[in-house]
Amino acid sequence: QVQLQQWGAGLLKPSETLTRTCAVYGGSFSDYNWTWIRQPPGKGLEWIGEINHSASTTYNPSLKSRVIMSVDTSKRQFSLRLSSVTAADTAVYYCARAAGYYDSSGSYFTFGIDYWGQGALVTVSS
Amino acid sequence: EIVLTQSPGTLSLSPGERVTLSCRASQSVSSNYLAWYQQKPGQAPRLLIYGASSRATGIPDRFSGSGSGADFTLTITRLEPEDFAVYYCQQYGSSPRTFGQGTKLEIK
Repeated sequence: QVQLQQWGAGLLKPSETLTRTCAVYGGSFSDYNWTWIRQPPGKGLEWIGEINHSASTTYNPSLKSRVIMSVDTSKRQFSLRLSSVTAADTAVYYCARAAGYYDSSGSYFTFGIDYWGQGALVTVSS
Repeated sequence: EIVLTQSPGTLSLSPGERVTLSCRASQSVSSNYLAWYQQKPGQAPRLLIYGASSRATGIPDRFSGSGSGADFTLTITRLEPEDFAVYYCQQYGSSPRTFGQGTKLEIK
């Protein structure tokens, strides 16, 4: 059974940097891509980006200038940094696994997001 | 960016009824890489359907997905009390991955 557990500051001031780290327990780490998704209170889901075990990343263009994702395969952890936060970044942040597989050419074929962490509310307020 | 539009926004139904939710994309979804998720209050979303029509592990067969190109549907044949939740579609065929705004299924 795969479990994801994240941690980081839950309250930030405007202009600070949001940092979240997610640890993966169970299952393979290197065979999958890992993703961050957020959900403002009472609103829908927003994909932030994705990273694989080789630290290859894909970011949402709407956040790309402020986002950095990293991975530590030895610790089975991946992280999110979002700089210059504002109240608009207040949301529940989820770390999750993008189900899928790598083919012989190294391309990743995904089947959606199959394992999610519990979600953590991050509030940005002065 | 592919915009996904879900309809209706809210549905009021009774247990035992059949329901069809719609998800329309602003352009064709590559390889029908379309997923459906169920989210209950205070919980993370749960994957129901991937590849437009394949049920995820452990999902009851009353849930089914269909569609191709830019038009997709999620059908629940007989609503159970635990099915009342918010449903999201997501395309993962192109970047950025995008979600629909959700359809809320509420008890009548």
